[in-house]
Amino acid sequence: DTEVTQTPKHLVMGMTNKKSLKCEQHMGHRAMYWYKQKAKKPPELMFVYSYEKLSINESVPSRFSPECPNSSLLNLHLHALQPEDSALYLCASSQESSGFDGELFFGEGSRLTVL
Amino acid sequence: AQTVTQSQPEMSVQEAETVTLSCTYDTSESNYYLFWYKQPPSRQMILVIRQEAYKQQNATENRFSVNFQKAAKSFSLKISDSQLGDTAMYFCAFIHTGNQFYFGTGTSLTVIP
Repeated sequence: DTEVTQTPKHLVMGMTNKKSLKCEQHMGHRAMYWYKQKAKKPPELMFVYSYEKLSINESVPSRFSPECPNSSLLNLHLHALQPEDSALYLCASSQESSGFDGELFFGEGSRLTVL
Repeated sequence: AQTVTQSQPEMSVQEAETVTLSCTYDTSESNYYLFWYKQPPSRQMILVIRQEAYKQQNATENRFSVNFQKAAKSFSLKISDSQLGDTAMYFCAFIHTGNQFYFGTGTSLTVIP
């Protein structure tokens, strides 16, 4: 199984809603990532979890709250978002090693629209 | 700080022809990894090819090959016998340690039938 599975694929929410994005992998990877991507732009790193602990937070606003319940699952909780937060949210995973030599595996993404 | 530059925002190529996408990077590290990722329209981002900086031999994967010039900090991707399925955004990426990938701004490639 070389898949990273993201749900939902599409999400429309109002600025007062609370929703969550989910990501799952069963490759035994110990590093998991959230990226935000606007159209025709590169992915922007938001968060990295390493061995289920938050290791990188790229100064993301608190209306985005990540959670890693176990080594296979990564969530992104959304609350009080702004229209400019509309984007494709990508989850990725990689083998954790002291000197990275692996590959970043991406999910298909969750396309978020904030009204 | 590491930076990755792709100077060609858009490119096009005739089907069956060869095209080269450019990527330059800036780093003071001596050991690192370089990648080309492909993102077709509305589809998943997938790895095309990767290169370890300590290896002098250029990586090759079927129709995809790289020209890695370490001294010049250049990492170009050559696609031979272009196919319609090669139409996609291509991102060059760099990592030297930890989990911080640096992506270039991307090149939108269109293969024309």
